[in-house]
Parts: sequence; C-alpha cells; structure tokens
Amino acid sequence: DAKTTQPTSMDCAEGRAANLPCNHSTISGNEYVYWYRQIHSQGPQYIIHGLKNNETNEMASLIITEDRKSSTLILPHATLRDTAVYYCIVRVAGGTSYGKLTFGQGTILTVHP
Amino acid sequence: DTAVSQTPKYLVTQMGNDKSIKCEQNLGHDTMYWYKQDSKKFLKIMFSYNNKELIINETVPNRFSPKSPDKAHLNLHINSLELGDSAVYFCASSPTGLALLGANVLTFGAGSRLTVL
Repeated sequence: DAKTTQPTSMDCAEGRAANLPCNHSTISGNEYVYWYRQIHSQGPQYIIHGLKNNETNEMASLIITEDRKSSTLILPHATLRDTAVYYCIVRVAGGTSYGKLTFGQGTILTVHP
Repeated sequence: DTAVSQTPKYLVTQMGNDKSIKCEQNLGHDTMYWYKQDSKKFLKIMFSYNNKELIINETVPNRFSPKSPDKAHLNLHINSLELGDSAVYFCASSPTGLALLGANVLTFGAGSRLTVL
C-alpha cells in the first residue's frame, strides 16, 4: 500500500470549512483513497473514498489532484463534534487482504468555538 | 440498533487469566475483523474472517484465538493474558470482498478496553 503523509494537527473555527490534506505520491493506479476518522473513545468511522474523481457525500467532499499524488478532505461547515483524528488511507479496493487498513498517525483536527 | 456491537466495553483482569470479547454485527456483512489499538493509539489489524473462514492473521501470538460461529459473530479469546495485551480492541465488519468498492468500507464497533494488571 502507498504511504501517506498528513499534518500532525490542525485547527478550525466552528462553522468554517476544514480542509485536511494528504500526500500519497507513490499511489498506484488501482489504489483508492479512503478517509476515516476517530472521535475520542469511539471506533473509527468511515467518511468517504475515491479513485480519481472528486467525491461528495453527506459528511464531506474529497478532492483528488489530477496526478493523484495528493488529496484533500473537506468538511464544509465544521462543528465541535467534528473534533477527531482523521486518517487518510490508500488501498486497493479488493485483493486477497481487503479490509486490511493501515492507519497511520492521522491528523488531529480540533474545531473551536 | 447498533450495527457492530462488542461486549464487554471494559475488561479488567489479572495476568495469566483467560478472557473473551464478543462481537456481533447486524449489517449482513460477510467479513469481520479484529483490530487492536495500543497505548500509542496505533490501530493494527489482527484477524479477518470471511463467511467464517480465516482470511488474515497478522502475526498475532497463538494466545489469541478468534472464533466465528456464523458470519454475524466474531469472538476473540485470549489465553494467559500478559501486561502487553492491554489495549482497546475493535471489531469491524465490511461487505464481502467481491463487492470490491465496499471491501475497505469498514463499520467499527465502539471498542473493548482491556486492562491487564
């Protein structure tokens, strides 16, 4: 799996957009970008994933650069409940070890009033 | 209804004891997992089962034995507990690997915090 690099921590004001970057310069053509988050004392929660097109769902938007070497997770209107550790994971969709996710250190996002 | 439920949520026990953590999912998923989060907060996969068959076993000591009586349940039994086993254990599930795009979309439980004294 491709290695990912994320900032250790970020701050965001409540109500503003939170833009979380992720570098994955060694990504392969069949690898997807997945985002998960872990709110304190809870299990990780899936947010969104994409291959090369930008994606949006009810939680967030995912912007992937044209060369696919980096991506940005956007929480359009951050709330205090979005304070969590955000993980960017690169993984093939299937294969013999699907579901084997490599969680790095992630980005600690703190949303403040 | 909780999608992936684990019991117990907290478990405090002495070294050398044997303990089990139970997991059940009501999502109709075919694949279930155990992940371990250590004191440094790193999350690592331990096992995965697909339709009751072991798929992934990540160099976990033999003292850890997963058991899947059916595809909705994956229990974790730990023998001869050691101090280093103290961690939060997360159960998760996902659609079958044949559903390629969903294979890495895992639903996690709330975790079971194990403390070995």
